[in-house]
Amino acid sequence: NAGVTQTPKFRVLKTGQSMTLLCAQDMNHEYMYWYRQDPGMGLRLIHYSVGEGTTAKGEVPDGYNVSRLKKQNFLLGLESAAPSQTSVYFCASSSPGPGGPQHFGDGTRLSIL
Amino acid sequence: DAKTTQPNSMESNEEEPVHLPCNHSTISGTDYIHWYRQLPSQGPEYVIHGLTSNVNNRMASLAIAEDRKSSTLILHRATLRDAAVYYCILSPPFNFGNEKLTFGTGTRLTIIP
Repeated sequence: NAGVTQTPKFRVLKTGQSMTLLCAQDMNHEYMYWYRQDPGMGLRLIHYSVGEGTTAKGEVPDGYNVSRLKKQNFLLGLESAAPSQTSVYFCASSSPGPGGPQHFGDGTRLSIL
Repeated sequence: DAKTTQPNSMESNEEEPVHLPCNHSTISGTDYIHWYRQLPSQGPEYVIHGLTSNVNNRMASLAIAEDRKSSTLILHRATLRDAAVYYCILSPPFNFGNEKLTFGTGTRLTIIP
């Protein structure tokens, strides 16, 4: 039972490069989320999706784009990477309903030089 | 979003109960109380959630004050594996656009062998 799988686990980019982070879930969850976590801080929501073909902005959306073309996948894109985007990125998924727990992946550690 | 207040850190001895407090004096009537934990180098993990009544599961118990302005996560017998950052989070029911969790900085729990 894989749960939430994030690809890649580590990546180093140069300023200005672009890349896409992939999140895949096998739990048939409607909702999916992308968070970032900087050292010593809690998670901050970047974007989220409440269903296939839908996306919405979270707390810190600038510099990122997302797509949810398939229910099981949620992609996070960095069009022109900046050092301020160095962080650990976590994907999560959940079902609708009161208090539906979010299931998290193990994270992608991204460094922008 | 309603705010929570947690101690920055706590210590507990192995094999003893642990009581992690959370204050949320501005909680609204429909807010759920969630607890997640994050082990080192891992994504957050769901622990428990509740609305008004105390809740128990295999991981922990959640005690909610009668006025709902505070709650306590109880680990009945701490092990070294319970060393983590514990997050207390409030959220409306997960539907109609209220699907987000807002993470603070949590309580870092250290277990002493």
